[in-house]
Amino acid sequence: RKEVEQDPGPFNVPEGATVAFNCTYSNSASQSFFWYRQDCRKEPKLLMSVYSSGNEDGRFTAQLNRASQYISLLIRDSKLSDSATYLCAVNSYNNAGNMLTFGGGTRLMVKP
Amino acid sequence: DTAVSQTPKYLVTQMGNDKSIKCEQNLGHDTMYWYKQDSKKFLKIMFSYNNKELIINETVPNRFSPKSPDKAHLNLHINSLELGDSAVYFCASSLQGQGNEKLFFGSGTQLSVL
Repeated sequence: RKEVEQDPGPFNVPEGATVAFNCTYSNSASQSFFWYRQDCRKEPKLLMSVYSSGNEDGRFTAQLNRASQYISLLIRDSKLSDSATYLCAVNSYNNAGNMLTFGGGTRLMVKP
Repeated sequence: DTAVSQTPKYLVTQMGNDKSIKCEQNLGHDTMYWYKQDSKKFLKIMFSYNNKELIINETVPNRFSPKSPDKAHLNLHINSLELGDSAVYFCASSLQGQGNEKLFFGSGTQLSVL
């Protein structure tokens, strides 16, 4: 099992739709969780951190379920500009130090 | 005033050649990283350096040799390039290398080995 897994998609949704992605992680000792956004041929950029109590930033809501070891990202009222790949990232600490492990990304395509 | 800059943006070369990718950050961060993103889009850490010292080396072949002359620079030299080295290589930095920090990525170097 991969350390961090995501459904690669693509998720094709119409503008205005609500869409949700999940990301599962295998290391129960993981401490920090993030969602990054990567546009085609660009670098990943932090979208939001994921806090234990869940957090919201405008149309975006991130949640953490420690018991089932997954994080989720909900996008409400999808815009064309939301089309991108969404990467989850999970931090864990091992002998090598702090490591941020990324999922393979979920591709979102918002259609007019 | 790019925060993390890496050069070149594109690198096309023949198998067996040696090439280098340079990375610089002007954010004053202590920790820098190299990540590799393959054709399936998996982004995997290769190395991390904290204040010029190697912290993480994730089972990368020793043909890859990072060099950090100071904490603002982390270059990647690759010897005897192989077809499987073709990928996008991203440099990144974070403030102290703590797990809860935001990573700032460079714009990537697309390496094509022919």
